[in-house]
Amino acid sequence: KAGVTQTPRYLIKTRGQQVTLSCSPISGHRSVSWYQQTPGQGLQFLFEYFSETQRNKGNFPGRFSGRQFSNSRSEMNVSTLELGDSALYLCASSSGPGQNTEAFFGQGTRLTVV
Amino acid sequence: AQTVTQSQPEMSVQEAETVTLSCTYDTSESNYYLFWYKQPPSRQMILVIRQEAYKQQNATENRFSVNFQKAAKSFSLKISDSQLGDTAMYFCAFMKRNGNKLVFGAGTILRVKS
Repeated sequence: KAGVTQTPRYLIKTRGQQVTLSCSPISGHRSVSWYQQTPGQGLQFLFEYFSETQRNKGNFPGRFSGRQFSNSRSEMNVSTLELGDSALYLCASSSGPGQNTEAFFGQGTRLTVV
Repeated sequence: AQTVTQSQPEMSVQEAETVTLSCTYDTSESNYYLFWYKQPPSRQMILVIRQEAYKQQNATENRFSVNFQKAAKSFSLKISDSQLGDTAMYFCAFMKRNGNKLVFGAGTILRVKS
């Protein structure tokens, strides 16, 4: 069974640009969650999608958005990039809320904003 | 809101010895899950062990075991017979019973020395 795939693995963007990150969950998983990891703030929850619906959103500005497609693949978008958006973005896939609660993580996308 | 606290930023242990990582949490929920995740230098988050709060028996997975004290809201991880491959950042995490959002602690860097 293929694991969680995040693309791209590394990304360098300039302040003010926008970026789209992609996450393909494990086959059969319908839930995708996104986390931001930085040295200063640690791991913070961004949002969670289940069956194309956003179920939860973390405390991030509106520049951070996401969506989930009918095949459960998810994308997150960050507009008007700031230096502080430099982070490792992790995607986690699971069967669904309350169902076999193990979350499987991808290897992350390392975003650097210059 | 739930919070997870890991009070040990860094720890080290000699190979083959035993080490315990501490975690406390705060929640008003009665049903929830607790997890320990490992993040090696590759940045891949790997589930180490999971505890269901309604189960009194402490979870064990090979060399990894937990000491779950629900009343004290404490959830420590014991690693026996430490191996060099256990060197990683370890995160304690909380999830509501019917949720899918993980709340992470700040992490503990564990170094296993030969």
